[in-house]
Amino acid sequence: SQQGEEDPQALSIQEGENATMNCSYKTSINNLQWYRQNSGRGLVHLILIRSNEREKHSGRLRVTLDTSKKSSSLLITASRAADTASYFCATDLSYDKVIFGPGTSLSVIP
Amino acid sequence: DAGVTQSPTHLIKTRGQQVTLRCSPKSGHDTVSWYQQALGQGPQFIFQYYEEEERQRGNFPDRFSGHQFPNYSSELNVNALLLGDSALYLCASSFSATGINIQYFGAGTRLSVL
Repeated sequence: SQQGEEDPQALSIQEGENATMNCSYKTSINNLQWYRQNSGRGLVHLILIRSNEREKHSGRLRVTLDTSKKSSSLLITASRAADTASYFCATDLSYDKVIFGPGTSLSVIP
Repeated sequence: DAGVTQSPTHLIKTRGQQVTLRCSPKSGHDTVSWYQQALGQGPQFIFQYYEEEERQRGNFPDRFSGHQFPNYSSELNVNALLLGDSALYLCASSFSATGINIQYFGAGTRLSVL
């Protein structure tokens, strides 16, 4: 079974609104990462948060991590049509194995 | 600086055939991981190569095998293809010395098995 599970599976919002995606995982991790994938192409790394960090920001992205609940959230503020993509959380149990969740499909309507 | 390159971009095979996919990592990277992504699903970890050896493997049968060359490039081989092997195959590279496994992905190879 998946180490990480994103929620919701799909999200549709208006341009300018905020988008929040959640990720839950099952075992202890070293780091948690978020990636974006545009329409069946390769994934692009967005942000990494270490297990000893609680919150991290990068531009319009805000990631939180709650290791006691084994969960993370990705917030995209002031969304744009170009943010339309699938978003995946990825957990690394060790350096040599990164496990991806099933993803959240985000649609931003202009 | 070239990113991760994969070839071919598309491939059509029939059941029972064998296929080889190729990957060149980002310049300076020494670790290559392979993923299978079915339509609408997340990438599934196949295996990772470092120093020309398979270091970690996901839940995939022995029909899936790989190789890493001294220049860090890698191949994924799939034997006895099944219809269910149809998917996007993604290669990702990383630099082991950082101790952090941020994956840099190629655009993928779309494999269709008929």
